[in-house]
Amino acid sequence: KQEVTQIPAALSVPEGENLVLNCSFTDSAIYNLQWFRQDPGKGLTSLLLIQSSQREQTSGRLNASLDKSSGRSTLYIAASQPGDSATYLCAPGSGAGSYQLTFGKGTKLSVIP
Amino acid sequence: DVKVTQSSRYLVKRTGEKVFLECVQDMDHENMFWYRQDPGLGLRLIYFSYDVKMKEKGDIPEGYSVSREKKERFSLILESASTNQTSMYLCATNPFTAGQETQYFGPGTRLLVL
Repeated sequence: KQEVTQIPAALSVPEGENLVLNCSFTDSAIYNLQWFRQDPGKGLTSLLLIQSSQREQTSGRLNASLDKSSGRSTLYIAASQPGDSATYLCAPGSGAGSYQLTFGKGTKLSVIP
Repeated sequence: DVKVTQSSRYLVKRTGEKVFLECVQDMDHENMFWYRQDPGLGLRLIYFSYDVKMKEKGDIPEGYSVSREKKERFSLILESASTNQTSMYLCATNPFTAGQETQYFGPGTRLLVL
């Protein structure tokens, strides 16, 4: 059974700093991996989707990398802003006709003005 | 933009009541999912459906059932609500198209069972 670990559980940084969130997973036979953002009391918003054949994916100030063989993914946030404060979740996806995501518990990010 | 709506944002029910949570999506996605989210446990998959009238159990299906009579609508049913089903319930959808598996989530329903 896939297990997903996100480190650190919480992170506080000053505005403008670049930061890296880490995600590791136990089963490397994944179909893809998604990063999500969740604001308090709200649903999840997809940030990036990386297919298993890709090494990285970029969207604006966000860059996600995937090392499938070692079971790791990172989310890099450049020039952090207070509006980036949220919980970030990593979710590797299985395939084989029955697509499912397994979620980590998330990293709670606070960007201090 | 994909829109996923859930019937209620907040719900208070009594133990033993039958509870219906409804999710509607407007993007003709094949796959629909129900999760629950609890502090310290993260998101856990309850049930999912990849087509009308099709359903598959997730990791924690006990105490729940689902219904998908129309492609755009996926209902989660708590047959007899219990206090341990107090949680945040999240619905999600994605298309059954390779390379486009981004999951879109609804706003969530916070259910309190007394």
